[in-house]
Amino acid sequence: RKEVEQDPGPFNVPEGATVAFNCTYSNSASQSFFWYRQDCRKEPKLLMSVYSSGNEDGRFTAQLNRASQYISLLIRDSKLSDSATYLCAVTPRGAQKLVFGQGTRLTINP
Amino acid sequence: NAGVTQTPKFQVLKTGQSMTLQCAQDMNHEYMSWYRQDPGMGLRLIHYSVGAGITDQGEVPNGYNVSRSTTEDFPLRLLSAAPSQTSVYFCATEGAFYEQYFGPGTRLTVT
Repeated sequence: RKEVEQDPGPFNVPEGATVAFNCTYSNSASQSFFWYRQDCRKEPKLLMSVYSSGNEDGRFTAQLNRASQYISLLIRDSKLSDSATYLCAVTPRGAQKLVFGQGTRLTINP
Repeated sequence: NAGVTQTPKFQVLKTGQSMTLQCAQDMNHEYMSWYRQDPGMGLRLIHYSVGAGITDQGEVPNGYNVSRSTTEDFPLRLLSAAPSQTSVYFCATEGAFYEQYFGPGTRLTVT
């Protein structure tokens, strides 16, 4: 089993829709969680960290479910500009490294 | 404040050639790392460094060497390029809360 797994998609949704992605991790003692956004042929950029209590940044909401070992990203009122690949990343406890999922490709259609 | 810079942006090598991918940062971050990104494989960690003089292997270190003589620079050396090393290479630094800041990447093709 991979340390971090994502549904690669692609997800094609209409503009204005709500879309959610999940990302599962295998190390129950993982301690840091992130969502990154990567545009085509660009570097990944931090979208948001994921906190235990959940957190929101505008149209984006991130949640952590430690019992089921997954994090989620919800995008409300999706825009054309949200089209990108979304990568989750996890730091296993005691590890000096970040482990990435393979990414979920999202396309917002007009 | 340039953040993380990488050179070159593109490179084509013949099998067996060696080269060094450069990475520099002006963020004064101790932790730096190199990833490769291949279709369907996500980002895989090659080597990382927790500070000047200290390096360690990541998930896919074979065929690559690194050194860290200064906080700012973390070059990645390909010893004898192979077609399997065709990839996009990203250098990254780590901030205070484990968040990563990536450079723009180097697209490498080995023929």
